[in-house]
Amino acid sequence: QKEVEQNSGPLSVPEGAIASLNCTYSDRGSQSFFWYRQYSGKSPELIMFIYSNGDKEDGRFTAQLNKASQYVSLLIRDSQPSDSATYLCAVPGGSYIPTFGRGTSLIVHP
Amino acid sequence: GAGVSQSPSNKVTEKGKDVELRCDPISGHTALYWYRQSLGQGLEFLIYFQGNSAPDKSGLPSDRFSAERTGGSVSTLTIQRTQQEDSAVYLCASSKTSGDSYEQYFGPGTRLTVT
Repeated sequence: QKEVEQNSGPLSVPEGAIASLNCTYSDRGSQSFFWYRQYSGKSPELIMFIYSNGDKEDGRFTAQLNKASQYVSLLIRDSQPSDSATYLCAVPGGSYIPTFGRGTSLIVHP
Repeated sequence: GAGVSQSPSNKVTEKGKDVELRCDPISGHTALYWYRQSLGQGLEFLIYFQGNSAPDKSGLPSDRFSAERTGGSVSTLTIQRTQQEDSAVYLCASSKTSGDSYEQYFGPGTRLTVT
């Protein structure tokens, strides 16, 4: 049974700070990883994906992957109140069915 | 092109009635997924289609739930004899399936309320 673990939070950070969201996974063979953002009452929206070790940057978002330690992180620089949402980590499994974590709630307060 | 669309956006039904939810995936996406999300909960996988076939139905919670996909495109999720515990948001997602690239794109969901 593939597992994806996330701290449910809430993670509360002040506006302008760096928010760090973490995700650990059990399947050492996983090759790619996705981060989704879900605003309250809305559906998940893909924001980042990463396939290789190291960092991937997209605007204020940086995904960090460490396959040896089996974790993937999402850093949000200069956090804004509009970043307040639940962030879901997803790890592709067999037969093209990803396993989603339960999500971390992020609150960015002014 | 257009994103994933779902209809209806909201559905209120009486306990015991049947409901049909529809999903129209992104054009060219071969894979289609149904999930359920109860209030404040994570995503619960229901079923996955590759083309018109469903290789994995393991997530369907009971035999009251069924789904089909025709023409490799539109899918319908049917819930028979609805129960109050079926109340949730039903989300559909689609993706290409090539190599390791199968990021999913979600529709807006159907909020089902069983009274």
